[in-house]
Amino acid sequence: GDSVTQMEGPVTLSEEAFLTINCTYTATGYPSLFWYVQYPGEGLQLLLKATKADDKGSNKGFEATYRKETTSFHLEKGSVQVSDSAVYFCALSDRTGANSKLTFGKGITLSVRP
Amino acid sequence: ETGVTQTPRHLVMGMTNKKSLKCEQHLGHNAMYWYKQSAKKPLELMFVYNFKEQTENNSVPSRFSPECPNSSHLFLHLHTLQPEDSALYLCASSQDDRGIGNTIYFGEGSWLTVV
Repeated sequence: GDSVTQMEGPVTLSEEAFLTINCTYTATGYPSLFWYVQYPGEGLQLLLKATKADDKGSNKGFEATYRKETTSFHLEKGSVQVSDSAVYFCALSDRTGANSKLTFGKGITLSVRP
Repeated sequence: ETGVTQTPRHLVMGMTNKKSLKCEQHLGHNAMYWYKQSAKKPLELMFVYNFKEQTENNSVPSRFSPECPNSSHLFLHLHTLQPEDSALYLCASSQDDRGIGNTIYFGEGSWLTVV
């Protein structure tokens, strides 16, 4: 079945540090890939997505590239801010099956200190 | 504001109570979802509705009973829950349930505590 594996957390960084959060996936079809973010006390918000190989999703300074050869979708940001502190979820939506339901990773907590 | 509104935001209920969670989406979508988020576990899909018809029940215990009267509203009726059912329940919607690239939009969630 489909699965998403995220690096273990939590991650603590200083403001303006470079961020990489690893995500790899297993899917039987040709999935779309997503990063969702959950700020404290809130629901999940879509951060970015990519729907085919080599696509790059980007938003709010975050980027992730769909790498089919390594089945990865790592999230990066060049300079994090305190306001980026949140839980980040990698997810996929697979073409096989009737539903476009999302399969999520476990999430990773990012804390950015001033 | 994501266009998906959940009420109540917080709910405390006893194991013998009957309560309901409500979700409303203002996005013109046709598919709606219930997810469960527990501490230290991946989000779990519970139910999917497409055009008011249930298209997925992910082996959810019968003490959780969904209802979708129209494409804009989704309920989760709760009865005789267990303490381990305490979690954040997230409602979501998307254009439909078949588009691989469809974005799923989430509400802010309802925090449920079963005592």
